[in-house]
Amino acid sequence: NFMLTQPPSVSESPGRTVTISCTRSSGSIASNYVQWFQQRPGSAPTTLIYEDNRRPSGVPDRLSGSIDISSNSAFLTISGLKTEDEADYYCQSYDTNDHLVFGGGTRLTVL
Amino acid sequence: DVQLLESGGGLVKPGGSLRLSCAASGFSFSTYGMNWVRQAPGKGLEWVASISSSSSYVYYADSVRARFTISRDNAKNSLSLEMTSLRVEDTAMYYCARDLRGGAGAATRPHYWGQGDRVTVSS
Repeated sequence: NFMLTQPPSVSESPGRTVTISCTRSSGSIASNYVQWFQQRPGSAPTTLIYEDNRRPSGVPDRLSGSIDISSNSAFLTISGLKTEDEADYYCQSYDTNDHLVFGGGTRLTVL
Repeated sequence: DVQLLESGGGLVKPGGSLRLSCAASGFSFSTYGMNWVRQAPGKGLEWVASISSSSSYVYYADSVRARFTISRDNAKNSLSLEMTSLRVEDTAMYYCARDLRGGAGAATRPHYWGQGDRVTVSS
């Protein structure tokens, strides 16, 4: 089994760009798709990115997902930050037994 | 629109049992895998269990295996989670989530989420 490690928190100013990392502890990040979810306080998660870099309809293109094999990490990048982007963000993948694995979550503060 | 509505949560004593349900609408329920994901107060998301569209593939997190049972009734568009031998550490908001794509395989990419139902295990 593997773990997905995210920074507990990040902060950036409105209008700037922030990137949240999600590092896989073992096995290749490219082996299984990565999803990203946003969760605002008191609300259910919503899907921002699926299959590494695909956006559901309705998710703005200032949000993007990518993976980097050299760092064995997935990344969520949010450009043109808005105060409404303040939330918790989770990455998720799955192992060879089809068990889901979630990252610990990253709290984004837009200040 | 895809809608998932959880119900059945509440307060239960340690060692007790509870059955959560998730009513699905707005899509062909029988063709999609489903997941249960929970979130303890102030904590992150934790996968609990998954079931494929025809119940051929059923998987559990180690923390709940042998205590929880996931099942589905495709005729009633309903997903269930039977929880027994409940522990204080099972206290959480429980979400059901539909998989991204339809098909017969395992549910590995939660895509649509319900609003959740709260389970509190306390004496």
